[in-house]
Parts: sequence; C-alpha cells; structure tokens
Amino acid sequence: GAVVSQHPSRVICKSGTSVKIECRSLDFQATTMFWYRQFPKKSLMLMATSNEGSKATYEQGVEKDKFLINHASLTLSTLTVTSAHPEDSSFYICSARAHEGGGNQPQHFGDGTRLSIL
Amino acid sequence: GQQLNQSPQSMFIQEGEDVSMNCTSSSIFNTWLWYKQDPGEGPVLLIALYKAGELTSNGRLTAQFGITRKDSFLNISASIPSDVGIYFCAGLKMNRDDKIIFGKGTRLHILP
Repeated sequence: GAVVSQHPSRVICKSGTSVKIECRSLDFQATTMFWYRQFPKKSLMLMATSNEGSKATYEQGVEKDKFLINHASLTLSTLTVTSAHPEDSSFYICSARAHEGGGNQPQHFGDGTRLSIL
Repeated sequence: GQQLNQSPQSMFIQEGEDVSMNCTSSSIFNTWLWYKQDPGEGPVLLIALYKAGELTSNGRLTAQFGITRKDSFLNISASIPSDVGIYFCAGLKMNRDDKIIFGKGTRLHILP
C-alpha cells in the first residue's frame, strides 16, 4: 500500500532554533501533500496544503513566515518551523495524496513528528 | 466551517464485543474515509468509501457510506486488545475541495 515517510520522528531543541521536517511519499507520486498539527487528545488541524512546484496554501491563522513549506518534487515536501518557541511544541503530521485518480484519492499519513521546544 | 459530528467520543467495551461508531454532517461528501491512530503515530487508513450506499469490509471492520451522502458508520466485530486507539472519520466534499474534513475522533478502550 501507499507509504509516507516522515522524518524526524522526534525533535527536542532550544527556543529560537529552526526545525525542518521532511515528508516523503515512498511508492507513489504526490502532487499534493498536507501538513497537520495535532494537540493532545484532539483531532488533526490542517495547517497548509503543499502543491508541487507552487506556493503552499495556508489555513487561516497559520503564519506563513513561521511555518515555511517547500514541495520541490512529487515525492518530497518539507515543513520548517522557524525560530521555534515552546508554544510551537506539538505533534506535526504530514499526509500525501497520489497523483493518479483525481481528487478523491485518500490521503496517507506519515508517522508524525513530535516537536518539543525547551 | 465544515464539521463532522463523530460519535461517540469514547467507548469502554469488553474484549469480544462489537463496536459501532458513526459520523454525520450537514453537508454532502463524495468520499468517506476511516482512519485509526495509535498513540504517537500518524493515522492509518482503514477503509475508503466512494459511492453512496457502499458497504466495505476490511477484516473485522465494516464501513458504510450513507445513502444521503451525509453520514457513515464503522463497525468492528469481536474486538481485540489491539483495536484500542482513536478512530477518525473524514470526508471529502462534492465540489472537489482538496481538503478533507476530520471528525473529532472516537477513543476506544477495551476493558480487561
């Protein structure tokens, strides 16, 4: 089945550090990838939609300059949390949707990145 | 904004019991998805439904796409300990909006 790899799985760093998270579709091409944030015991909150070769579309309230997204190829999207602060600590999850089949293809998720800012 | 009402929020059952959870919406969806999330991991797709009335099984799991396109249910038969986790429903809208909408999840607990 479709496999999405997310790296790293866990990051602990000091306040002010920038952190890059990678999301790769391993066995399919993904024109569109999605970045979510999940708070404890809550559902997934969509942060932005990442389209290969174009700018990401951010959800209302998500700072573009804070959460930089790059989708340079059909198999890789990156999320960079710039100058991270403790309030950015969270579980970040990416998902990818296969290029073929149109808009109804289900999204497949990575295993998430737990970010802890000290 | 768009919302899915997923119920129940949590369930406490005995091992071996059957489980049923559902999602409803005021809007029409053309795809319904059911995911399971284990602690510290990303959601894993269980079942995808693409047609109104469709009934699909995946092992002990069965899900149906409601005829009205506004609801879906997931059943788990003969629950086992590894079924513990959070189950999310998700829907894709009719107008090709690329974003899927998630329910708030059903947390399944299995009592020893």
